[in-house]
Amino acid sequence: EAGVAQSPRYKIIEKRQSVAFWCNPISGHATLYWYQQILGQGPKLLIQFQNNGVVDDSQLPKDRFSAERLKGVDSTLKIQPAKLEDSAVYLCASSLLGLAGAGYNEQFFGPGTRLTVL
Amino acid sequence: AQSVTQLDSHVSVSEGTPVLLRCNYSSSYSPSLFWYVQHPNKGLQLLLKYTSAATLVKGINGFEAEFKKSETSFHLTKPSAHMSDAAEYFCVVSDPNYGGSQGNLIFGKGTKLSVKP
Repeated sequence: EAGVAQSPRYKIIEKRQSVAFWCNPISGHATLYWYQQILGQGPKLLIQFQNNGVVDDSQLPKDRFSAERLKGVDSTLKIQPAKLEDSAVYLCASSLLGLAGAGYNEQFFGPGTRLTVL
Repeated sequence: AQSVTQLDSHVSVSEGTPVLLRCNYSSSYSPSLFWYVQHPNKGLQLLLKYTSAATLVKGINGFEAEFKKSETSFHLTKPSAHMSDAAEYFCVVSDPNYGGSQGNLIFGKGTKLSVKP
């Protein structure tokens, strides 16, 4: 079974530039998550999709971050404009379900995209 | 609010000796707890999970963890370390707003495990 795919693996940009990350979840997984992992910290959830709808984006800095999952499969996370503090690894994960009360559903993580903002 | 505290940022052991990675949690609800491992340049992998069944949980690669409600702890152990165990380990608690599902994971800051030959 193919895992969660992410691209690019590495990206270096200057502050105020724009950047986009792509994620392809495991086939058949309805729920998709984007996490931000700053160096020395654990991942922090940015946004969660259920199919093509947003379930939780309470920790997404909406003034500069946006994400979409138009057809309920692939997803794109964009930062515009980037700041120095956005330097981090951006992780995508997917799970079969993930709805409240649906019980345990393991999240499977991609390898991440390492973003460096200069 | 829920949170996890990993008591050691870095643990170093010799190959063949026991591993202990400590985790304390804070929760107003009955939590689900997990340990994830992250090898360099690889994705996070679930080691084991506690979801209110048996308090001693066995995971992959010989790891296990014990849920102790009285101590609010969920320490990760392994009897004998292997070189391939060198990685970053995260203790994770689930958000009760998601009804016990894995809708929202709250990660600790991680413990880096080094294994000396």
